[in-house]
Amino acid sequence: DAKTTQPNSMESNEEEPVHLPCNHSTISGTDYIHWYRQLPSQGPEYVIHGLTSNVNNRMASLAIAEDRKSSTLILHRATLRDAAVYYCILRPGGTSYGKLTFGQGTILTVHP
Amino acid sequence: NAGVTQTPKFQVLKTGQSMTLQCAQDMNHNSMYWYRQDPGMGLRLIYYSASEGTTDKGEVPNGYNVSRLNKREFSLRLESAAPSQTSVYFCASSSELRTSGANVLTFGAGSRLTVL
Repeated sequence: DAKTTQPNSMESNEEEPVHLPCNHSTISGTDYIHWYRQLPSQGPEYVIHGLTSNVNNRMASLAIAEDRKSSTLILHRATLRDAAVYYCILRPGGTSYGKLTFGQGTILTVHP
Repeated sequence: NAGVTQTPKFQVLKTGQSMTLQCAQDMNHNSMYWYRQDPGMGLRLIYYSASEGTTDKGEVPNGYNVSRLNKREFSLRLESAAPSQTSVYFCASSSELRTSGANVLTFGAGSRLTVL
């Protein structure tokens, strides 16, 4: 299975944009790029996903490199509630049910 | 909306005891999963059920059994608990439409298990 590489930790100030990078150089043509986050003492929650084109939703934006070997999760204005572990995950297309491989993710610290 | 509900939230067991973690979802999802998360680590898949009546092993199935009771419920059983099974367990579900790569998982709040 293709793997992802993320920085162990990042820091940001409140109300500033945050760019969380993810490398996935062995991504296959049918892999979707998913981002989840896990707030302290909670289960992971879905943030955003994409295949080839950049995506926006109410939580964040996802910028996907043209060669799809990297992506960046963008939080436009970080808040204290965005402090969490962010996981970048490749989800195979087809019938690879549930075989999401969660790495250690990026711990995001947001300073007031 | 309840989403994915796990019980119990906390449990302490002695080595060798058995217990079942319960999971139920009210989103009419086809697929359900059990993950474990150890301190400072990501989630590892224990078992999953692609649809009612089917179950398959994930990355770390040893020491666990599962039952997909119906479309809503997916339980995880520890027959003889060991200290190495001390962990936080998460249940998740997804709809698994035809283009499965786009499907999103919804997670429960977790069950914290300690085995002494």
